[in-house]
Amino acid sequence: QVQLQESGPGLVKPSQTLSLTCTVSGGSISSGGYYWSWIRQHPGKGLEWIGYIYYSGSTYYNPSLKSRVTISVDTSKNQFSLKLSSVTAADTAVYYCARAKGRIVTRVYFDLWGRGTLVTVSS
Amino acid sequence: QSVLTQPPSVSAAPGQKVTISCSGSSSNIGNNYVSWYQQLPGTAPKLLIYDNNKRPSGIPDRFSGSKSGTSATLGITGLQTGDEADYYCGTWDSSLSANWVFGGGTKLTVL
Repeated sequence: QVQLQESGPGLVKPSQTLSLTCTVSGGSISSGGYYWSWIRQHPGKGLEWIGYIYYSGSTYYNPSLKSRVTISVDTSKNQFSLKLSSVTAADTAVYYCARAKGRIVTRVYFDLWGRGTLVTVSS
Repeated sequence: QSVLTQPPSVSAAPGQKVTISCSGSSSNIGNNYVSWYQQLPGTAPKLLIYDNNKRPSGIPDRFSGSKSGTSATLGITGLQTGDEADYYCGTWDSSLSANWVFGGGTKLTVL
């Protein structure tokens, strides 16, 4: 079955760029009908959608993070990635990659999640 | 502050029924589909309900979803201690700041 696995540094310095990759196994990232997503959860808090990307490269971002976020896809490696620039301590969170199922960007649901990875922003 | 409002906590005894509400507006719940997620302690969220009231394969029929106007409700019957978790509703928000939104989450305690 399809699985998602996040990878990347667990510690990032303030003002630097947070970079994470999600590897999709057991299925092709190029199969239609899915948006590949990043969601984060601050310690002890709720879920915050960061954005998602279709395999064709179309991206959709949370307006509150849009100026700092880039999500990209590498179909040859079956991976998609997150870059969040100019991080501060407020970006410390567990970052999840997730698969959003649906062909219409406003009508999707997150049917598959990675285990999540904690990223701490600290000097 | 979340665009979707959920009660911070609910509780009930084993075997009982509980409902969790999710209140929004016409720009989100009122005109889009709602999904619900269960997050057991220390784990990633898991899809429970999609398209307002559909259950993915493997989710028991003890879990149900409904939507009326600008509110949605998750129902859980026959409560088990293993149902203790945080529950989140979510949907697309079609306002000027169009984006996917989650509720603040509800902590379910099975007494």
